[in-house]
Amino acid sequence: QVELVESGGGVVQPGGSLRLSCAASGFTFNIYAFHWVRQAPGKGLEWVAVLSSYGIDNYYADSVKGRFAISRDVSRNTVYLQMDTLRAEDTAVYYCVRSKATSWHNFDFWGQGTLVTVSS
Amino acid sequence: QSALTQPRSVSGSPGQSVTISCTGSSSDVGSYDFVSWYQCHPGRAPRFMIYDVTKRPSGVPDRFSGSKSGNTASLTISDLQTEDEADYYCSSYAGGYLRYVFGSGTTVTVL
Repeated sequence: QVELVESGGGVVQPGGSLRLSCAASGFTFNIYAFHWVRQAPGKGLEWVAVLSSYGIDNYYADSVKGRFAISRDVSRNTVYLQMDTLRAEDTAVYYCVRSKATSWHNFDFWGQGTLVTVSS
Repeated sequence: QSALTQPRSVSGSPGQSVTISCTGSSSDVGSYDFVSWYQCHPGRAPRFMIYDVTKRPSGVPDRFSGSKSGNTASLTISDLQTEDEADYYCSSYAGGYLRYVFGSGTTVTVL
């Protein structure tokens, strides 16, 4: 069955870095685009970043541009989110989400999420 | 601050219908038929419920339906069931730098 399993969350100090991983299984990895979507405590969903099915095109929310980087390892069927210069407002559950290569706007399967807490 | 506006909560009795609105602008909902809806139960992965305004993915009951008029999209849940009690979020393609925007979320309560 389809699975997206996030890992790498934890507590980090402001200004620090963290790398999230998303292990995919149960489907053909390289025909999907992948996103990261986050949800701060008590808040709504916020789109963070997307990586194309070719692994070349990537786009970011203005709030993370220049600090976060999305990438993938096709050999490991894994997507990553490198988060640098973290701020308190980056505290959230981060979800790995897939979408078909022809319809990036449809987030058709989500992982369970991993919690990132930025605090001193 | 979410880009799309949803009511904070809606409620209904089992068997009734409820409708959740999702109001955006001419830059997102009004410009693209790329509105989708997601169901969120606490502690569970969000579930894809409606895409491209009106379409249902395989496995989603036909009690769930979507529509759009101008800058406002809507999700209607007919024949409300207890398992429908959850948070619901809309999303739209927005183009430009924002790219994808979500709604503020609506809690559906089954009385």
